[in-house]
Amino acid sequence: LAKTTQPISMDSYEGQEVNITCSHNNIATNDYITWYQQFPSQGPRFIIQGYKTKVTNEVASLFIPADRKSSTLSLPRVSLSDTAVYYCLVGDLLNNAGNMLTFGGGTRLMVKP
Amino acid sequence: EAQVTQNPRYLITVTGKKLTVTCSQNMNHEYMSWYRQDPGLGLRQIYYSMNVEVTDKGDVPEGYKVSRKEKRNFPLILESPSPNQTSLYFCASSLSKGLGVIGYTFGSGTRLTVV
Repeated sequence: LAKTTQPISMDSYEGQEVNITCSHNNIATNDYITWYQQFPSQGPRFIIQGYKTKVTNEVASLFIPADRKSSTLSLPRVSLSDTAVYYCLVGDLLNNAGNMLTFGGGTRLMVKP
Repeated sequence: EAQVTQNPRYLITVTGKKLTVTCSQNMNHEYMSWYRQDPGLGLRQIYYSMNVEVTDKGDVPEGYKVSRKEKRNFPLILESPSPNQTSLYFCASSLSKGLGVIGYTFGSGTRLTVV
């Protein structure tokens, strides 16, 4: 898997839009970008996945520039319940070796009232 | 409901006493994996299985064993637990070995304390 770099932590307030950027300079042609969310003492939960440009679902948007060396997870109008750790992973959608999905430290988002 | 079920959720044991953490998925997924999560280290893969009777080591396999006799079950075995195996453990499954269209489904975790 390509190495990723994310901020260790971020603070925000309820109702604000939060953007978390992930750097992945050595992303390969076949790699996709996937974001997970983890609450304390729970397993990570898939949020969104994309290859290029923009992907949006009911939870978040994912922006990927043309060079694909970074990506930005955008959470619109966060609430206290969005306080969690967010992980960015980059890898081949179908052909990864089995020993994959190594999570880094992630970004700890704290949403304040 | 599609899910990955781990048991137990919490376990306190003594050094050297063999234990098994069970993991079961009801999604007919081929790929299953075990992770441990420690503060500051993220999730590290212990073992994974690409299908029945096929298992392989992850990043931190020492002190652990697994088996995959049936597609739905992937138990994690600690033959002789030690305090450095105190951690939060997660089981995960996926339709295929890759990241998959919707990624991995994780269990709720097992918090293990070895004293």
